[in-house]
Amino acid sequence: NAGVTQTPKFQVLKTGQSMTLQCAQDMNHEYMSWYRQDPGMGLRLIHYSVGAGITDQGEVPNGYNVSRSTTEDFPLRLLSAAPSQTSVYFCASSRGGAGELFFGEGSRLTVL
Amino acid sequence: ELKVEQNPLFLSMQEGKNYTIYCNYSTTSDRLYWYRQDPGKSLESLFVLLSNGAVKQEGRLMASLDTKARLSTLHITAAVHDLSATYFCAVDAFKDMRFGAGTRLTVKP
Repeated sequence: NAGVTQTPKFQVLKTGQSMTLQCAQDMNHEYMSWYRQDPGMGLRLIHYSVGAGITDQGEVPNGYNVSRSTTEDFPLRLLSAAPSQTSVYFCASSRGGAGELFFGEGSRLTVL
Repeated sequence: ELKVEQNPLFLSMQEGKNYTIYCNYSTTSDRLYWYRQDPGKSLESLFVLLSNGAVKQEGRLMASLDTKARLSTLHITAAVHDLSATYFCAVDAFKDMRFGAGTRLTVKP
């Protein structure tokens, strides 16, 4: 099984550009989420979804949009990239609620 | 707001020694998770603790949960180099999983 697949693994953007980080899971998990990881700060929740058509904000949602049109996919959109969004982004999924999370390999984003 | 605090944040150990990592959290929850992250890699689940008094062991690692004290511990027994990694605790606040800042463990020969 592929588990949770994220693309791209690396991306460099200029300030003001937009982009989408893709996330797909093949485990039929209802719950999906996006985290960002910054040095010394652990992981912070950006947005999450408890099922297709349902999304909600996490701890640090500003500057990001999500949608969940299918159970499998949960893309994260950066609307107008800023240097403060330079980070490593992880997509994760679980069977239900915010239970044991299965993580993708991460996407390293640099905004110049 | 749920806060999760880990300590220490950095831990340098000699092989063969024992040590404990602590995870305190600020609100009621009876679901706590431990994850391991190797440098440049993703996170993998180590332990799932779902009730007060829960204890799980895997090899040289043992995790426990005291929901009354809002405290979880990750105990390392007779450390070996392969345990070098960053360890995160995470507390389930229903739909929101809050992570500690992580403990970077280095095991030296």
